Amino acid sequence: GIQVEQSPPDLILQEGANSTLRCNFSDSVNNLQWFHQNPWGQLINLFYIPSGTKQNGRLSATTVATERYSLLYISSSQTTDSGVYFCAVESKTSGSRLTFGEGTQLTVNP
Amino acid sequence: AAGVIQSPRHLIKEKRETATLKCYPIPRHDTVYWYQQGPGQDPQFLISFYEKMQSDKGSIPDRFSAQQFSDYHSELNMSSLELGDSALYFCASSLGRAEQGGELFFGEGSRLTVL
Repeated sequence: GIQVEQSPPDLILQEGANSTLRCNFSDSVNNLQWFHQNPWGQLINLFYIPSGTKQNGRLSATTVATERYSLLYISSSQTTDSGVYFCAVESKTSGSRLTFGEGTQLTVNP
Repeated sequence: AAGVIQSPRHLIKEKRETATLKCYPIPRHDTVYWYQQGPGQDPQFLISFYEKMQSDKGSIPDRFSAQQFSDYHSELNMSSLELGDSALYFCASSLGRAEQGGELFFGEGSRLTVL
């Protein structure tokens, strides 16, 4: 099946800093989504972005489908940004499922 | 806006007991997915349904079964529970077949603890 690799696995920031999270995938995709899992376990949709660039407030994402990677940018980070960020993809060849990466654990300190 | 509703939110069972989780998709969504997330792990796909028919199957144990009903809600039945079944179980829904690349929306999850 499709392989999804996220980097870095862990990231510690001071409040106000910017960061870039990366997601590499091994096959062509129909769907790519970024999620934030908060400390209560909820999976919050951030972006649905199989290609192109989107922005939502302090967050933006870019997917370069031809090169099989996606980037999530977080600017002016806040303590409430802490949690695990997951990239999940649906391969064009392996059925109707999202395959998750292992996530990036983000900690934002005050 | 209406979201995916899961119940119960928390469930405690003994080994070898049975548990049933319920999922109510976003209105008009016709595809439902079940995921299992163990402690410190990423969510793993279990099974999905499109228009009440199983559309894809992942790493779902034989002890587990699921179905989607005529009102599009889905239930995940887990029997002969084992300690390793303790996890957060997510339901997600989308509009249209997943092959079309539809966006998935996740519920808040059901946390199962097996003692």
